[in-house]
Amino acid sequence: SAVISQKPSRDICQRGTSLTIQCQVDSQVTMMFWYRQQPGQSLTLIATANQGSEATYESGFVIDKFPISRPNLTFSTLTVSNMSPEDSSIYLCSVAGRWGDEKLFFGSGTQLSVL
Amino acid sequence: LAKTTQPISMDSYEGQEVNITCSHNNIATNDYITWYQQFPSQGPRFIIQGYKTKVTNEVASLFIPADRKSSTLSLPRVSLSDTAVYYCLVGDGERGTYKYIFGTGTRLKVLA
Repeated sequence: SAVISQKPSRDICQRGTSLTIQCQVDSQVTMMFWYRQQPGQSLTLIATANQGSEATYESGFVIDKFPISRPNLTFSTLTVSNMSPEDSSIYLCSVAGRWGDEKLFFGSGTQLSVL
Repeated sequence: LAKTTQPISMDSYEGQEVNITCSHNNIATNDYITWYQQFPSQGPRFIIQGYKTKVTNEVASLFIPADRKSSTLSLPRVSLSDTAVYYCLVGDGERGTYKYIFGTGTRLKVLA
């Protein structure tokens, strides 16, 4: 398994500002993903963070709103830009691909509230 | 993309066996079936994974029929601490991309 650390664990932000969420893994992993979970809902995949290249975004998510960095095999950041109250969610980092199967491992998430 | 369908919610009593069934009619040949558990304010946690027939570990069993169009997670003798949301996932048909699409999940409530 992997130990995934996310920072911050929670934050309260003002409308129009940006927040960068960090995800650190204790081992090198091939695949890193960012999910969003709105209150009481299931998880929605935002993007796949590719090491050394641009992230691959899912339908409904764009790079200008959710820029992602993946500078190496153990670290990624997700920025939520120009926030509005609709961005209030839990944002989760996930990793896979190291263990030769299709298991995902998740961080504990960042709870974001936008006022 | 393989889509999964699960019951939205289930109630059970402590000590009972709970079976949660997931439908995945469009599962691809190479897809594994994986179940996750999520408690409030935490990320999903891996429970069990299988490809066909039956898999058992220390916390659950997974039953997969021959056609693989459904699967059943079995939790033996549940306790109050098993109250959580359970997600069934299958891969996206292209092995190696690990791009999972989460369905609604099943909210299990265990009663005393």
